[in-house]
Amino acid sequence: QKEVEQDPGPLSVPEGAIVSLNCTYSNSAFQYFMWYRQYSRKGPELLMYTYSSGNKEDGRFTAQVDKSSKYISLFIRDSQPSDSATYLCAMKGGTSYGKLTFGQGTILTVHP
Amino acid sequence: SAVISQKPSRDICQRGTSLTIQCQVDSQVTMMFWYRQQPGQSLTLIATANQGSEATYESGFVIDKFPISRPNLTFSTLTVSNMSPEDSSIYLCSVESGTKIREEYFGPGTRLTVT
Repeated sequence: QKEVEQDPGPLSVPEGAIVSLNCTYSNSAFQYFMWYRQYSRKGPELLMYTYSSGNKEDGRFTAQVDKSSKYISLFIRDSQPSDSATYLCAMKGGTSYGKLTFGQGTILTVHP
Repeated sequence: SAVISQKPSRDICQRGTSLTIQCQVDSQVTMMFWYRQQPGQSLTLIATANQGSEATYESGFVIDKFPISRPNLTFSTLTVSNMSPEDSSIYLCSVESGTKIREEYFGPGTRLTVT
């Protein structure tokens, strides 16, 4: 079993839809959670960083962490064609230092 | 956030040759990492590039195949040695930045094709 599981999709939604992207993890040592966006032929771009259970909002993006269920989500409101990318969840352990463990990535397409 | 550049951005190499990839950061950083992203896959950490000492390799990666240099706090190189088609991947460097919260930022990647 992988430490981090993420549905690879692909996920296709119409413009304006609410998108929900999810990851589950098995390692209870993970304490820091990140979401990256990767456009085709580009490096990953850090979108959100959280380290406590609950919600964190930034514009159209909301990151949600449920440590009791070992489940994290990224919600995108009013999705735009420019949101079309691969979204990767990543997490790391008991200090904010140290290596990241990535999910497989979810390919998202938002069509006009 | 740190600004990271990589050279080359892409290359096509012959089997058996070696390629050195450079990573340059616009500010001094303590932690630098090298990742591999195979086609259609997620990122796998190759090693942590340590300034002034040998890199720390993850399971499945060895120094003879992926030698790494880190001469200072803004620069690192990764060499992919004796390449085979299985080495065709995107190679990414990343850095940790920030004080209270250590965020990790990635370079644009080097797309390597081995024929």
